[in-house]
Amino acid sequence: QSALTQPPSASGSPGQSVTISCTGTSSDVGGYNYVSWYQQHPGKAPKLMIYEVSKRPSGVPDRFSGSKSGNTASLSVSGLQAEDEADYYCSSYAGSTVVFGGGTKLTVL
Amino acid sequence: EVQLVESGGGLVQPGGSLRLSCAASGFTFSSNWMSWVRQAPGKGLEWVAKIKEDGSEKYYGDSVKGRFTISRDNAKNSLYLQMNSLRAEDTAVYYCAREVAVASDYWGQGTLVTVSS
Repeated sequence: QSALTQPPSASGSPGQSVTISCTGTSSDVGGYNYVSWYQQHPGKAPKLMIYEVSKRPSGVPDRFSGSKSGNTASLSVSGLQAEDEADYYCSSYAGSTVVFGGGTKLTVL
Repeated sequence: EVQLVESGGGLVQPGGSLRLSCAASGFTFSSNWMSWVRQAPGKGLEWVAKIKEDGSEKYYGDSVKGRFTISRDNAKNSLYLQMNSLRAEDTAVYYCAREVAVASDYWGQGTLVTVSS
């Protein structure tokens, strides 16, 4: 159960777009279409932003989108807003267990 | 409205035990897998365990396997985590979460467990 690999930080100016990557293996990200993305603001519980690679729960803005290619999943945020500044975590099904990424701190400049 | 409320956290000595509870409301508890996820201070999320709707299947992360036990009482709409042989590295905020499509769509506010002498 090795953690998925995410860049520790990402940034963009308001209105710009940013993409966060999440790299795993064929035993997790590459083997299943069960990649999720979570947003976490300081002191708060995580919030589900994307599930099953690219599906958005009700209430999540369509500025957030997910994709996957091989063993790497990606979260894209377009039209960056100040409230998007947060930590983002990916997770993947890994054959009965779940593995998280180390997290990416998104800064809106 | 879906609500998950954790309780049972606190300060415990290394080697000690603690039982966390999660009270669920606002949905049919017996229809969802449930999970525990933890977050050490200043660190990322770590998946701990999950349990099937009827409790017949349970899975654990490598770091807690053999020491922690997940269980549920569908009659009481409650999820539990029995933690034994606690170590300093188990210090974290523990979240319970509802599972849908192998994703955690609702989370509790978390309960802090501190393992220290």
